[in-house]
Amino acid sequence: AQKITQTQPGMFVQEKEAVTLDCTYDTSDQSYGLFWYKQPSSGEMIFLIYQGSYDEQNATEGRYSLNFQKARKSANLVISASQLGDSAMYFCAMRIRYSSASKIIFGSGTRLSIRP
Amino acid sequence: DTAVSQTPKYLVTQMGNDKSIKCEQNLGHDTMYWYKQDSKKFLKIMFSYNNKELIINETVPNRFSPKSPDKAHLNLHINSLELGDSAVYFCASSQAGENEQFFGPGTRLTVL
Repeated sequence: AQKITQTQPGMFVQEKEAVTLDCTYDTSDQSYGLFWYKQPSSGEMIFLIYQGSYDEQNATEGRYSLNFQKARKSANLVISASQLGDSAMYFCAMRIRYSSASKIIFGSGTRLSIRP
Repeated sequence: DTAVSQTPKYLVTQMGNDKSIKCEQNLGHDTMYWYKQDSKKFLKIMFSYNNKELIINETVPNRFSPKSPDKAHLNLHINSLELGDSAVYFCASSQAGENEQFFGPGTRLTVL
């Protein structure tokens, strides 16, 4: 079954510390993509980072990096030097084949709260 | 110059009514999507259109009918609204071969 699992419903982190949000996935596809999205309390969905299944290097975007461990089927998001504005829901997602197209499935999300 | 826009942002209506949510993207993308986010924040795809053609139709009640008059628009019409339809509905778009999906701001639907 194609599935994304986020096992941390909520996390509290002190400002300026690094934080790792866990994500594991299950797919039989050889080619797939992994995403992280941020949803602040205002509700919009903000794309953070993408990792393709054939990418050998971990993706990085500013303070965000994706720790991709293919054999373990994990795609954890690492946020360095956390800021108060990082408080939000974070969703891991995976693009999979669907008939002749592709679709994205989402995990259940992790609510991250940054303490000042 | 909003990339993906949805109207209305909030929609409050009575059970049994019919309502529509509109979505427009000005990014020139060829694929558009509708997602439903429930009260537990779980986000699930409902439909996807590519160049006005329906390519993904998840197990959604047939009270939900998407309509794509052109590739920049994907509207969602809901008949005979039920309490369980209360959710936030997101429109999104992407371009074939590119990784990112751009999301609209969401429409919070409340059925009373």
